[in-house]
Amino acid sequence: EAQVTQNPRYLITVTGKKLTVTCSQNMNHEYMSWYRQDPGLGLRQIYYSMNVEVTDKGDVPEGYKVSRKEKRNFPLILESPSPNQTSLYFCASRDRAGANVLTFGAGSRLTVL
Amino acid sequence: AQSVSQHNHHVILSEAASLELGCNYSYGGTVNLFWYVQYPGQHLQLLLKYFSGDPLVKGIKGFEAEFIKSKFSFNLRKPSVQWSDTAEYFCAVNAFSGGYNKLIFGAGTRLAVHP
Repeated sequence: EAQVTQNPRYLITVTGKKLTVTCSQNMNHEYMSWYRQDPGLGLRQIYYSMNVEVTDKGDVPEGYKVSRKEKRNFPLILESPSPNQTSLYFCASRDRAGANVLTFGAGSRLTVL
Repeated sequence: AQSVSQHNHHVILSEAASLELGCNYSYGGTVNLFWYVQYPGQHLQLLLKYFSGDPLVKGIKGFEAEFIKSKFSFNLRKPSVQWSDTAEYFCAVNAFSGGYNKLIFGAGTRLAVHP
C-alpha cells in the first residue's frame, strides 16, 4: 500500500531533550515536506526537500533540522525542543509529476514539557 | 506574499443542511487549488482539486468547488451534509512563479454536523 509512515505517533518529552521524528514513503516520491498544525493557524511548512541531499527552509524552520540522505526518508530533528514546539506534525510527499497532490502521513503529536 | 483565507473558523450545521465554505487566495498568476479534509484523529486527505478546465470541480462524498478567477475564490459546497462530514477542512493553493511552486494552506474550517 502506498503510504507515508511517521514515527512516533505520540510523544511527550521535556525541554532540551533531542528527538527525531521519522518519515518514510514507499512511493519513490522526489518531494517531501514537513508541516506543523496548530489551532487557528492551519498547516505551516517547516522544511521541504526537492530530492536527495536537497533541503530548503519553509515558513517556520527555527528550532528544526532535517536531512535527506535517501529518497524514501526525511527525518525531522528537534535538537533542543521547547514548549512552543508542542504541535501536531505531518510529513507529506509527492512526485514531480504528481501535480502537487500531497500524500500525508498520519501525524505525530508532540508535547514538550 | 501569497496567502489563503478561509472565512469561517467554525461552522455548525444540522444534517441535511447545505454547506458552503469560503476560500480566497492572493496571487495573480497560475494556481492549482485544493480542498483537503481531516476527519477527527486522522491525517489530511484530498477532497478535490482544480488545475485547469471546467471551473466547477466535483470531489469525493458529494463535495464540489467552484473556481472563480475574478474573485480569487475557490469555495467548497455540498447540498446536504451528513453527520459523517464532521471534520476540519483546509483550502490550499499552489502558486507557480519562475519554476518555483509552493503549497500554502488556509487556517482551516472546523465543521460540526449535528444529527
